[in-house]
Amino acid sequence: DIQMTQSPSSLSASVGDRVTITCRASQSISSYLNWYQQKPGKAPNLLIYAASSLQSGVPSRFSGSGSGTDFTLIISSLQPEDFATYYCQQSYITPWTFGQGTKVEIK
Amino acid sequence: EVQLVESGGGLVQPGGSLRLSCAASGITFSTYRMHWVRQAPGKGLVWVSRINSDGSSTTYADSVKGRFTISRDNAKNTLYLQMNSLRAEETAVYYCAREGYYGSGSSRSYYMDVWGKGTTVTVSS
Repeated sequence: DIQMTQSPSSLSASVGDRVTITCRASQSISSYLNWYQQKPGKAPNLLIYAASSLQSGVPSRFSGSGSGTDFTLIISSLQPEDFATYYCQQSYITPWTFGQGTKVEIK
Repeated sequence: EVQLVESGGGLVQPGGSLRLSCAASGITFSTYRMHWVRQAPGKGLVWVSRINSDGSSTTYADSVKGRFTISRDNAKNTLYLQMNSLRAEETAVYYCAREGYYGSGSSRSYYMDVWGKGTTVTVSS
């Protein structure tokens, strides 16, 4: 199975900060990488697909980049509603696998 | 409105069985592959299973292979997960999700773009 490793596992940030979350795959997955946001008690919500494509309805402050094994999710200016847990997920091959999550908390 | 609604969760003893359902509305259900994903309390997301659009092909995580069965009834717009020989560590919220795609041919990229709210399964004596 492909292992997905996110860093950091958690971070504290202030409204307006630029936030960067990284995701590394244990083998090359080309651009078959998706990012999800999950708030407590809610289902995950797709933010980015194919490493860098913004899902419809997702604010443009979210962006994704990378290919191969290394990927990045950037929130350009953190907003109050962005405090949540973020997961990367590979769809290169089944079993699809998720990173362990990055919890973004209020500083 | 596109909607997925899970049901069938509950309390079951270790070794017991449960069947989850996921009712779809607002989508052409029969044209989409579908997934089950679970999340144990306080833990991350774990992919469980996938089924293709007509139900002829299924894939499972190794941890559930041979015990769980994914199926669908396209006439009823409903996805199922039959779970047998349940273990305490499978206590989780179970989500169904639609598989969307981008692109064409061999470069098509896949993702889960519509999710249900989840149903809670508790395995305990």
